[in-house]
Amino acid sequence: GQNIDQPTEMTATEGAIVQINCTYQTSGFNGLFWYQQHAGEAPTFLSYNVLDGLEEKGRFSSFLSRSKGYSYLLLKELQMKDSASYLCAVRSPPPGGSYIPTFGRGTSLIVHP
Amino acid sequence: DGGITQSPKYLFRKEGQNVTLSCEQNLNHDAMYWYRQDPGQGLRLIYYSQIVNDFQKGDIAEGYSVSREKKESFPLTVTSAQKNPTAFYLCASSMGQRETQYFGPGTRLLVL
Repeated sequence: GQNIDQPTEMTATEGAIVQINCTYQTSGFNGLFWYQQHAGEAPTFLSYNVLDGLEEKGRFSSFLSRSKGYSYLLLKELQMKDSASYLCAVRSPPPGGSYIPTFGRGTSLIVHP
Repeated sequence: DGGITQSPKYLFRKEGQNVTLSCEQNLNHDAMYWYRQDPGQGLRLIYYSQIVNDFQKGDIAEGYSVSREKKESFPLTVTSAQKNPTAFYLCASSMGQRETQYFGPGTRLLVL
């Protein structure tokens, strides 16, 4: 089976840095995605990691450790518009998976002034 | 502009009624997906299609049906057999099943 864990909610201050963790136990591994979802809107793609290490994209970075089944999304210089839900999704190949990502429950990030 | 559209944005269903949610994409993507999102839950896969005229059940297919007669379109019917249909429904597409998924704006279904 597939199990993906994220904190339910986090709060942070505008201008600060926040790290959102995701741990997973899956039957095989073929990549990890992070999506951002504002309330009532579609998830938008943020990042994809398939190899260990850090991927940086502007204010957002994503890290992966396959041996630990662990990823984090790092948001720097937080802005009020970063208040959203952040979804971690893991893709697994057959036979344990189907290459279609399994999503975690999401982490609701609240940024306050 | 290329993208994925879903309609309507809000949909109301009466007891015993079937309703159909539309999903259209002009990204030339082969694969399309339907997810259901409930408060505090992750996205759960209802159905997916890798190519035209072919589709597979996801994790929670009971009470739903789909068709894939055209590459661009993947409508979802919520049947009266679905006893708890109130949710936010998201359609997604990807170039192939191993590629990144891109999502439409969603349809919120409410039961009267």
